Amino acid sequence: ETGVTQTPRHLVMGMTNKKSLKCEQHLGHNAMYWYKQSAKKPLELMFVYSLEERVENNSVPSRFSPECPNSSHLFLHLHTLQPEDSALYLCASSQDLGVGYEQYFGPGTRLTVT
Amino acid sequence: GEDVEQSPFLSVREGDSSVINCTYTDSSSTYLYWYKQEPGAGLQLLTYIFSNMDMKQDQRLTVLLNKKDKHLSLRIADTQTGDSAIYFCAESMRTGANNLFFGTGTRLTVIP
Repeated sequence: ETGVTQTPRHLVMGMTNKKSLKCEQHLGHNAMYWYKQSAKKPLELMFVYSLEERVENNSVPSRFSPECPNSSHLFLHLHTLQPEDSALYLCASSQDLGVGYEQYFGPGTRLTVT
Repeated sequence: GEDVEQSPFLSVREGDSSVINCTYTDSSSTYLYWYKQEPGAGLQLLTYIFSNMDMKQDQRLTVLLNKKDKHLSLRIADTQTGDSAIYFCAESMRTGANNLFFGTGTRLTVIP
């Protein structure tokens, strides 16, 4: 399998549930990212990891908790979410950090919070 | 803060040229990108242009950059039905963290 994969592709959860989104990249990249894509809004960068270290956290609420156990895997742990958190969550990876390194995106997880 | 704007919709007939426009506010952009998102898929990088260039051509795609007006455009020649998708422009201006700022996207519909 190649590229960036995300599981699950669709997730429906209640506000009191705890769930996790998984991202895996098979490209040998060192940097990974979580983005949130909401309807009629620009993509929002949530978290950036480089060599398993978090390098950016863009004022994301604590109900979103990322984890990067190794350079190939990235998780987003979710708990006590709100309906406005319903969105498409995209994972991406790039060879390294820095302007000019292309980001490769996964297909996303469509999250619905009820 | 950074502000990247696009028109939300564009319809063209198959075989015609499509021009998708984007305006941005930060003059310190270093790279500007065009991404394509097909239904149910992630974003795919189509092309990019460095800020010291004013034009880049790649097969059917032509990118024009007007730095004075902070205006970026993507022209698709001989548009095909397979080009129907949402197109996002994005800019990056920081070193270190590869922080991309995206527009809201333009949904291109190609009419057979």
